[in-house]
Amino acid sequence: QKEVEQDPGPLSVPEGAIVSLNCTYSNSAFQYFMWYRQYSRKGPELLMYTYSSGNKEDGRFTAQVDKSSKYISLFIRDSQPSDSATYLCAMKRSNTGKLIFGQGTTLQVKP
Amino acid sequence: GAVVSQHPSWVICKSGTSVKIECRSLDFQATTMFWYRQFPKQSLMLMATSNEGSKATYEQGVEKDKFLINHASLTLSTLTVTSAHPEDSSFYICSAPGQANTDTQYFGPGTRLTVL
Repeated sequence: QKEVEQDPGPLSVPEGAIVSLNCTYSNSAFQYFMWYRQYSRKGPELLMYTYSSGNKEDGRFTAQVDKSSKYISLFIRDSQPSDSATYLCAMKRSNTGKLIFGQGTTLQVKP
Repeated sequence: GAVVSQHPSWVICKSGTSVKIECRSLDFQATTMFWYRQFPKQSLMLMATSNEGSKATYEQGVEKDKFLINHASLTLSTLTVTSAHPEDSSFYICSAPGQANTDTQYFGPGTRLTVL
């Protein structure tokens, strides 16, 4: 079993839709949770960074962490075609720990 | 945010040759850098942790004699793929922690390696 599970998709939505992306994990020691966006043939770009449980909002993006369920989510409101990319969840046990990535979910937002 | 660059962005080489990839932190110093490999439609897999002034730490299953890492300065780490084979074709990405060294990681744009 992988430490971090993420549905690879692809996920296709119309422009303006609310997108929900999710990851589950098995190791309760994870404390730091991140979401990265990766465009084709580019390096990952940090979107959201959350410590422990709770919600964090930044513009159209909201990250949620439920440690009791070992489940994290990223919501994108008013999705745009420019949001079309692969979204990777990542997590680590400590500040200086190794990042463990999910497989990534490919999102396509159609105009 | 912190900026990390990589060079080259893509490279094609013949089987058996060696290829060097550079990773630079442009506006900050990085005592630690990370090297990842990403195969098509797969996630990033950590290969090794590069430490300035000391030996790199390799993940299980990664051949240290094949993937040579040198972190000679606080802004530069290099990955050399020695005697490359077609199965080494992949997307290689480096990253570095932010200023506080406890921040999350900032990634370079990646290097696509194709071995013929």
